[in-house]
Amino acid sequence: NAGVMQNPRHLVRRRGQEARLRCSPMKGHSHVYWYRQLPEEGLKFMVYLQKENIIDESGMPKERFSAEFPKEGPSILRIQQVVRGDSAAYFCASSALPATDTSSYNSPLHFGNGTRLTVT
Amino acid sequence: AQSVTQLGSHVSVSEGALVLLRCNYSSSVPPYLFWYVQYPNKGLQLLLKYTSAATLVKGINGFEAEFKKSETSFHLTKPSAHMSDAAEYFCAVITNAGGTSYGKLTFGQGTILTVHP
Repeated sequence: NAGVMQNPRHLVRRRGQEARLRCSPMKGHSHVYWYRQLPEEGLKFMVYLQKENIIDESGMPKERFSAEFPKEGPSILRIQQVVRGDSAAYFCASSALPATDTSSYNSPLHFGNGTRLTVT
Repeated sequence: AQSVTQLGSHVSVSEGALVLLRCNYSSSVPPYLFWYVQYPNKGLQLLLKYTSAATLVKGINGFEAEFKKSETSFHLTKPSAHMSDAAEYFCAVITNAGGTSYGKLTFGQGTILTVHP
């Protein structure tokens, strides 16, 4: 019973390159969240996706960042033209229930181990 | 908007001593509160949650937390610290944004717990 799988675990990019972070949710989960953890800070919500839909991207930077969760395959967080300030740990979490289902409070998010992005 | 504040970014205790990690929340609606633990280079693991049932919540690994509405607090405790408890702990509240994204969590800054022999 695999949990949330993220890859790569570590990613090093030079300034200006693109970073692609992948997240495979737990089996049977169709709701994915992305969070970012900057050094010495708590996790900050970025985006909430269901299959083929972006539901809430209020935490996404306006430029260079995009996310998708296609019908088939993992969710992808894409960062174009990375800068040093993008260096952080990026965590994916999944849920079996839609975010508007209050019973989901009793089964909250399952987190992956994260992708640690370093921009040199 | 909901938010949480964790008092003390670092807490150090001796093995066998009481662990107390503080969390205060701010919410205009009844909150749903969580404590997560993060071990080095790992994801977050849920310790316990408060969802408006019993105010004293028991979690895994001997941790518990008490919801106190009058103090707007949800402090995490463990009677006797173990070396394996050394990790970073996050308090979180569900963010209710106009009826959508109930599953969106707002996290505190985190408290690093050090346990020394």
